[in-house]
Amino acid sequence: QKEVEQNSGPLSVPEGAIASLNCTYSDRGSQSFFWYRQYSGKSPELIMFIYSNGDKEDGRFTAQLNKASQYVSLLIRDSQPSDSATYLCAVNRGGGFKTIFGAGTRLFVKA
Amino acid sequence: GAVVSQHPSRVICKSGTSVKIECRSLDFQATTMFWYRQFPKQSLMLMATSNEGSKATYEQGVEKDKFLINHASLTLSTLTVTSAHPEDSSFYICSAITLFDNSPLHFGNGTRLTVT
Repeated sequence: QKEVEQNSGPLSVPEGAIASLNCTYSDRGSQSFFWYRQYSGKSPELIMFIYSNGDKEDGRFTAQLNKASQYVSLLIRDSQPSDSATYLCAVNRGGGFKTIFGAGTRLFVKA
Repeated sequence: GAVVSQHPSRVICKSGTSVKIECRSLDFQATTMFWYRQFPKQSLMLMATSNEGSKATYEQGVEKDKFLINHASLTLSTLTVTSAHPEDSSFYICSAITLFDNSPLHFGNGTRLTVT
């Protein structure tokens, strides 16, 4: 079992729709959860981070965390073609442990 | 804030030569920097963790004598790919942590290495 699992996609949504990206993790000691966006040939860019159970909203993005289910998700409202990228879920246990990345989900927003 | 600068962005070198990549934290002190490698259409692979003033910790399968890491100050870490081979061609990305060890990683822009 991978430490951080994501559906590789591609996930295709029409422009203006809600894109829902999911991630599960295996380490129950994980404390910090991150979503990064990576365009082809570029380095990852931080979108959201969440530390507590529940929802965290920032503009069109909402991160959701459920530690009991070991599940973290990212919702993108009003999806735009410019949102087309690979979205990486990352998890950190804290205490000096390294950040673990999922393999990423490719999102394609159709104009 | 939290800007990480990486240089060069692209480098082409001949097989057998060495290449140095620099990673700088521009507006914060990074006690820990990380080096990743990413092959096309694959995820990030952590190569090593670099702490200021101490030896880097390498991930399993990463040759420490081939990928030399130096973290001499709180704002600079370097990765030297020694005796490069075509299979070392990849996208190398550094990242750094700001204040706390569970804070978000901030990435440099990456270095595209091509070994001919």
